[in-house]
Amino acid sequence: QSALTQPASVSGSPGQSITISCTGTSSDVGGYYYVSWYQQHPGKAPKLMIYDVSNRPSGVSNRFSGSKSGNTASLTISGLQAEDEADYYCSSYRSSSNNVFGTGTKVTVL
Amino acid sequence: EVQLVQSGAEVKTPGESLRISCKVSGYNFTSSWITWVRQMPGKGLEWMGRIDPSDSYTSYSPSFQGHVTISADKSSNTAYLQWSTLKASDTAIYYCARLKGPNWFDPWGQGTLVTVSS
Repeated sequence: QSALTQPASVSGSPGQSITISCTGTSSDVGGYYYVSWYQQHPGKAPKLMIYDVSNRPSGVSNRFSGSKSGNTASLTISGLQAEDEADYYCSSYRSSSNNVFGTGTKVTVL
Repeated sequence: EVQLVQSGAEVKTPGESLRISCKVSGYNFTSSWITWVRQMPGKGLEWMGRIDPSDSYTSYSPSFQGHVTISADKSSNTAYLQWSTLKASDTAIYYCARLKGPNWFDPWGQGTLVTVSS
């Protein structure tokens, strides 16, 4: 079962905006409005950042936003901060009652 | 406060069996699915499968079907992930998480490190 495709790494300077893409197929990302994003710092459990494509849970900074176009979802981090340096994973609902994660993206704050 | 607390780290030899646990508190255990996720050393997250604690209906990723068993005990608000025959390639951190809606995992347990080595 193939994972969703994310860039291996993305970097930006403090204050800049970066966007992480997450590409799937019509059987997952393109077929449903059920994409979520997770932040994982080293040695820690993942943390939900975005759900249902563009919704932010309570407590998550509004610097994080999500969107989707066709088979590709995106996470944008604006006003990049040092604390945003982490690994980010997308996830999508997939047909046949399954879920699937992306390959993961390492965000580096320069 | 919703919490998922997982059992401690395990060190096993190949061929042994193992069951790890995920104890839930702070909400009605039977109201949400529980999912399990694998993270091999230095690698990404992999969705393994999920269980509806209300009736123990399960759904597995094709990659894990037949290799692990997910179960739940309503009397103790605990979900389980088990192996009958461990392999060295099962070495990983395993996370449980509450599944809200079709694809929204929150919160997560702290993770259980499973090391399989001869």
